[in-house]
Amino acid sequence: AQSVTQLDSQVPVFEEAPVELRCNYSSSVSVYLFWYVQYPNQGLQLLLKYLSGSTLVKGINGFEAEFNKSQTSFHLRKPSVHISDTAEYFCAVSEVGSQGNLIFGKGTKLSVKP
Amino acid sequence: DAGVIQSPRHEVTEMGQEVTLRCKPISGHDYLFWYRQTMMRGLELLIYFNNNVPIDDSGMPEDRFSAKMPNASFSTLKIQPSEPRDSAVYFCASSTGGANYGYTFGSGTRLTVV
Repeated sequence: AQSVTQLDSQVPVFEEAPVELRCNYSSSVSVYLFWYVQYPNQGLQLLLKYLSGSTLVKGINGFEAEFNKSQTSFHLRKPSVHISDTAEYFCAVSEVGSQGNLIFGKGTKLSVKP
Repeated sequence: DAGVIQSPRHEVTEMGQEVTLRCKPISGHDYLFWYRQTMMRGLELLIYFNNNVPIDDSGMPEDRFSAKMPNASFSTLKIQPSEPRDSAVYFCASSTGGANYGYTFGSGTRLTVV
């Protein structure tokens, strides 16, 4: 069975600083990986996804993530954050060929301070 | 497209009452998912449909929960009778091609059972 671990439940950071949100996964088969963002009182929005190909994936709002198969990680990064990036970020995994089940991590709350 | 539409946005009900949550997926999406989000358990998949047919309902907590999708543009999640521990945010999401293509989430229904 798959599982996702987001190592930090909360990450405080100052505006314009870089940030990395960590995600590790566990699966016995090949996987697809996703990052979603949830702003307060809203649903989740897809930030980026890794299906195949280049291990460095670029998403919306200047975010990027790198798939590292040997370390089973998919960390999310942004070189310079804005106040508007304050939100909760979820890493998710699905097994290749699986149609239905996207397994989510518990989320990381990013708080950007001025 | 208006996106995935859920109603109501908020629901407060008394223990023992029946609750019905509604979802309209994006037109043309052939997968529909119901998730529950709580602080303790994070995001949990309850059930998903493909072409209006329930595929996996193993996440439905117990017989008090039921879900239907009578046509491609409408789904309901019903709780009868409701209990305080059902209090959560319930999300509906839809997708074309299943989990591997990413989901579009609705804004959620915040359910409070008192």
